[in-house]
Amino acid sequence: QVQLQESGPGLVKPSETLSLTCTVSGGSITSAYWSWIRQPPGKGLEWIGYVYYSGSTNYNPSLKSRVTLSVDTSKNQFSLRLSSVTAADTAVYYCARDRLDSASGMDVWGQGTTVTVSS
Amino acid sequence: DIQMTQSPSSVSASVGERVTITCRASHDISSWLAWYQQKPGKAPKLLIYAASSLQSGVPSRFSGSGSGTDFTLTISSLQPEDFATYYCQQANSFPWTFGQGTKVEIK
Repeated sequence: QVQLQESGPGLVKPSETLSLTCTVSGGSITSAYWSWIRQPPGKGLEWIGYVYYSGSTNYNPSLKSRVTLSVDTSKNQFSLRLSSVTAADTAVYYCARDRLDSASGMDVWGQGTTVTVSS
Repeated sequence: DIQMTQSPSSVSASVGERVTITCRASHDISSWLAWYQQKPGKAPKLLIYAASSLQSGVPSRFSGSGSGTDFTLTISSLQPEDFATYYCQQANSFPWTFGQGTKVEIK
């Protein structure tokens, strides 16, 4: 079955760019849409955006000016870049398979990776 | 953005009890609603999609209902492994938005 694994630095300095990668195993990245979601400590879930294998994207307007999602089909990976980070971007970041084409929800999630923004 | 409001924010219940969580959308979202369960330190897990469809592998004690703006997640007989936080999420229009969560605690 499809599994997802996030990877990337756990500590990012303020004003720098956060970069994370999600590796898809057990299935093809061309089979679905792929979303990123984050969760600040002790708080709820915030959808960041999705990327499709074709490269099409949709971003949360609250982050749109700072977010870039991309996909590498040759590696079965997709990535998140968030620029000009502040302490407010400290969160657990999750990648997920988004069955938005069939309205079937986000059915596979990575375990999450904690990113702290601090100097 | 569509705002999702859950109630209650927390509920205390005993094993075997029936638990109901409500989610209200600020606009009509038809049946484009999902429910997730999250345990501490873990990723959310999809329970229900399209308001009432049970995700494969999820116990039948979980059920969802509703359409338009008002939705309900019901746990018919609470089990020890069900103590967690539950989130609703609308999938009608971007950006996807979540409710603030309902924590189900042991009474």
